Amino acid sequence: KNQVEQSPQSLIILEGKNCTLQCNYTVSPFSNLRWYKQDTGRGPVSLTIMTFSENTKSNGRYTATLDADTKQSSLHITASQLSDSASYICVVTFYNAGNMLTFGGGTRLMVKP
Amino acid sequence: DGGITQSPKYLFRKEGQNVTLSCEQNLNHDAMYWYRQDPGQGLRLIYYSQIVNDFQKGDIAEGYSVSREKKESFPLTVTSAQKNPTAFYLCASSISGHNSGNTIYFGEGSWLTVV
Repeated sequence: KNQVEQSPQSLIILEGKNCTLQCNYTVSPFSNLRWYKQDTGRGPVSLTIMTFSENTKSNGRYTATLDADTKQSSLHITASQLSDSASYICVVTFYNAGNMLTFGGGTRLMVKP
Repeated sequence: DGGITQSPKYLFRKEGQNVTLSCEQNLNHDAMYWYRQDPGQGLRLIYYSQIVNDFQKGDIAEGYSVSREKKESFPLTVTSAQKNPTAFYLCASSISGHNSGNTIYFGEGSWLTVV
């Protein structure tokens, strides 16, 4: 069964600090892996999309990495800001699921002043 | 501005009632989707449509129905057969289907509560 597991479930950091969120998936191959940011009560917004052949993709202070050998992806946030407080969702498109998206449960990040 | 508009933002449903959530996009996207989000869980696909007048069931289609009469519109009806409809509903669209790697854009969501 295709699964996408994210850790930690929640995280509190101080403004200005860096943090790393983890995403593990159980099945490959996959066509792409995405990271989304979702503010409370809002729709998710795309941060990065990586194909299976890419190792890293950046979007401003957000950098996603991918290790196909260990089936892990990380989202690194640099110099966190209060506006980074949100849920971060990892999404994998698996070939064996008709290319449908499988969503992780998300990591809820809170940045405190 | 281009984007996806969902309405209403908040909706209350009585037991046994059908309700319809609206989703309109002006991005000229072929593919549209409906997802359900429950607290602490990943989004789950209800229905999707890759082209006008065609749609497919997702993982949790029971108790829901959709139509795609126009490219820009993909309304979702939550029927009385859906026993646990209280959730956050998200509409999304992309230039083409899931397997294209294109960015999927989401609306702002609709909260449905059963009273």
